[in-house]
Amino acid sequence: AQSVTQPDIHITVSEGASLELRCNYSYGATPYLFWYVQSPGQGLQLLLKYFSGDTLVQGIKGFEAEFKRSQSSFNLRKPSVHWSDAAEYFCAVEGSGGYQKVTFGTGTKLQVIP
Amino acid sequence: GAVVSQHPSWVICKSGTSVKIECRSLDFQATTMFWYRQFPKQSLMLMATSNEGSKATYEQGVEKDKFLINHASLTLSTLTVTSAHPEDSSFYICSAHGRSGGQYFGPGTRLTVT
Repeated sequence: AQSVTQPDIHITVSEGASLELRCNYSYGATPYLFWYVQSPGQGLQLLLKYFSGDTLVQGIKGFEAEFKRSQSSFNLRKPSVHWSDAAEYFCAVEGSGGYQKVTFGTGTKLQVIP
Repeated sequence: GAVVSQHPSWVICKSGTSVKIECRSLDFQATTMFWYRQFPKQSLMLMATSNEGSKATYEQGVEKDKFLINHASLTLSTLTVTSAHPEDSSFYICSAHGRSGGQYFGPGTRLTVT
């Protein structure tokens, strides 16, 4: 069975600082990988996804993520955080082959301080 | 593209009553939709997979007689919480696969059972 681990429950960064959110997955083959963001009381917004090809994926809002097969990781990065980035971030894995179940990590809450 | 809507966004009901939540794919057809449940400060947990024209597939531990799912058309899936109890209070989110891959989520429905 697939699983996702987000080791950091809560992260605080200063506005303008760089950000990296960690995500490790477990799956028998190369899965589909996603990062979603959720603001309080809101639904989820897809930031970026990895299916295959280039291991560095660019997403919306200036985010990027790098798939590292050897480390089973898919960490999310942003070079300069804005106060509006404060939210909950979820890494997710879907079995390859299309229309599979998606398993979410427990989420990382990002706080941005002035 | 790949917009998913939910209705209502927020509902309060009395214990013992039933509540229906709608999930619609607005600009694409979705043969498969998913229903998730999210408790406060927790991650999303898949409840069931809704298949157009056939019975839903429920995850282990989810009562199918309590959470009735109907996927009557390619753009609409409904989740009915029957005989609701306060412990059913939660944030319910649906999703569907978009054409370019990845699941797109509805804005969620917050259910409060009094």
